[in-house]
Amino acid sequence: DAGVIQSPRHEVTEMGQEVTLRCKPISGHNSLFWYRQTMMRGLELLIYFNNNVPIDDSGMPEDRFSAKMPNASFSTLKIQPSEPRDSAVYFCASSLMGSAYNEQFFGPGTRLTVL
Amino acid sequence: SQQGEEDPQALSIQEGENATMNCSYKTSINNLQWYRQNSGRGLVHLILIRSNEREKHSGRLRVTLDTSKKSSSLLITASRAADTASYFCAIPPSSGGSNYKLTFGKGTLLTVNP
Repeated sequence: DAGVIQSPRHEVTEMGQEVTLRCKPISGHNSLFWYRQTMMRGLELLIYFNNNVPIDDSGMPEDRFSAKMPNASFSTLKIQPSEPRDSAVYFCASSLMGSAYNEQFFGPGTRLTVL
Repeated sequence: SQQGEEDPQALSIQEGENATMNCSYKTSINNLQWYRQNSGRGLVHLILIRSNEREKHSGRLRVTLDTSKKSSSLLITASRAADTASYFCAIPPSSGGSNYKLTFGKGTLLTVNP
């Protein structure tokens, strides 16, 4: 079992550039989460997909952020245009939803630095 | 959704000692989960305790839950240097359809010195 796969692991970009983060969830999982982690704010849920459909995007900070899940094995989080305050570690997690007791499996994260 | 609050924020112990971390919360819960995060890595689920359970064990981990005090503790016995990590409690909403929405605390940074 490969676990949740994220790419790239590190991304350094300049302000104004478009950034695309990628995630492959664990096969068979039907839920996918994007989180952002910073020292100041801790771990924040950005968006949640269930069966490839966005269910809750209330954590997406603003219109510069968008996420898609075209199929059960792939999701992207895009920031356009990027700003220095977007610098953070972005995690993707997946889960098999079926009850209230749902363990989430996290990927290794993408460390984003916007200069 | 509510956020669990871990205490202490940081803990430094010697290898072989026990480490205890606490999590407090404000409203009723269905369950409480503990996760570990090693530096530069994603979170890893450690253990889940349900609201009708008082204690649960997994290897060197022992989790307790006191719903009357709205608190949980994570005990790591006979700590090892490899236990050095941040530990988070995570709480789903107790009602409504958003039971997926785990809210993580700020974590306890545990350092185990060899």
